Amino acid sequence: GIQVEQSPPDLILQEGANSTLRCNFSDSVNNLQWFHQNPWGQLINLFYIPSGTKQNGRLSATTVATERYSLLYISSSQTTDSGVYFCAVETSGSRLTFGEGTQLTVNP
Amino acid sequence: KAGVTQTPRYLIKTRGQQVTLSCSPISGHRSVSWYQQTPGQGLQFLFEYFSETQRNKGNFPGRFSGRQFSNSRSEMNVSTLELGDSALYLCASSLGLGIDTQYFGPGTRLTVL
Repeated sequence: GIQVEQSPPDLILQEGANSTLRCNFSDSVNNLQWFHQNPWGQLINLFYIPSGTKQNGRLSATTVATERYSLLYISSSQTTDSGVYFCAVETSGSRLTFGEGTQLTVNP
Repeated sequence: KAGVTQTPRYLIKTRGQQVTLSCSPISGHRSVSWYQQTPGQGLQFLFEYFSETQRNKGNFPGRFSGRQFSNSRSEMNVSTLELGDSALYLCASSLGLGIDTQYFGPGTRLTVL
């Protein structure tokens, strides 16, 4: 099956810093989503981005489908940005295959 | 619109018992998917339902089953619980198959003793 790799696995930042999270996938995908998992376990949808670039406030994402990767940018990070960020790709129906996530810690 | 709801939020069972988890999708959404999250295996796809039919199934034993009702609400059942079934079970809904953003519920945290 398709492989999804996220990097880095862990990231520690000071408040106000910028960061880039990467997601590589091994095959063509129909769609790609980025999620933030909060401390209570809920997955919050950040972007639905099969290709191109989208921005939402301090967050933006870019997917280059032909090169099989996606990037999530977080600017001016805040402590509330802490948590695990997942990339998930969709290959069949609504079936998502998740990466292992990036654990982000933002210190005050 | 109300989001995806899951009940119960927490559950403690003992080995050998069975459990039923419920998921109510966002109003108008017809596709419901289930995922299991564990520290060792990460997030893994269990199954997907659309219009009361299972459309896709992950690599889980037959002890894991599910169904979808005419109002799109879905239930999953795990029979003969094992310690390794302890996990966060997440449900996601979308408008249709592979055409839309998926929205996740808060999850049910199952502990098997």
